[in-house]
Amino acid sequence: ETGVTQTPRHLVMGMTNKKSLKCEQHLGHNAMYWYKQSAKKPLELMFVYNFKEQTENNSVPSRFSPECPNSSHLFLHLHTLQPEDSALYLCASSQESLVLNSPLHFGNGTRLTVT
Amino acid sequence: AQTVTQSQPEMSVQEAETVTLSCTYDTSESDYYLFWYKQPPSRQMILVIRQEAYKQQNATENRFSVNFQKAAKSFSLKISDSQLGDAAMYFCAYRSAIRADKLIFGTGTRLQVFP
Repeated sequence: ETGVTQTPRHLVMGMTNKKSLKCEQHLGHNAMYWYKQSAKKPLELMFVYNFKEQTENNSVPSRFSPECPNSSHLFLHLHTLQPEDSALYLCASSQESLVLNSPLHFGNGTRLTVT
Repeated sequence: AQTVTQSQPEMSVQEAETVTLSCTYDTSESDYYLFWYKQPPSRQMILVIRQEAYKQQNATENRFSVNFQKAAKSFSLKISDSQLGDAAMYFCAYRSAIRADKLIFGTGTRLQVFP
């Protein structure tokens, strides 16, 4: 079992749908992250949670809504998405978000297609 | 703002040979970490190696080593004795002490390994 698990692996949704991405980490970490990976672009940081508190919202549109009920779980709620939101969404965790040498551990991502 | 540049979109290497992937970054800070991550077809980003800016000695992890040139702001990855399993996307990433919760990635280099 990988340290960071993401579900679903693939998701196809229409622009009017509401869906959620789930991330769970089994590493005892206290920080969790959402990244967006689009083709030929650098990974974009979306949200950071440290000890369940959101510490970063990188100018993400409100159609993306994160939720972190505890340090082990992270959700990304999606509604009224646009086709340009199609991408690979990666979840990561680390010991703490402000510890410089604490590496991020990533999940396998959710491939999202918005039709 | 810090930026990370990977100028080689694709590289190829023969099995058992050595290959070097380039990375440059732009920063005015003195305290930071640099990372190389590998993303195989499974999509999971895997930490390959990391380097603290204050350490002059280049980091080494088995067949992977870096050439860290702080003044030149260069951080290249050398893979020795390349194996078929090394084929993946490789991402260079920067993390500053001031914004340790924000890992900044380059656009990646796709490495192909030929038998």
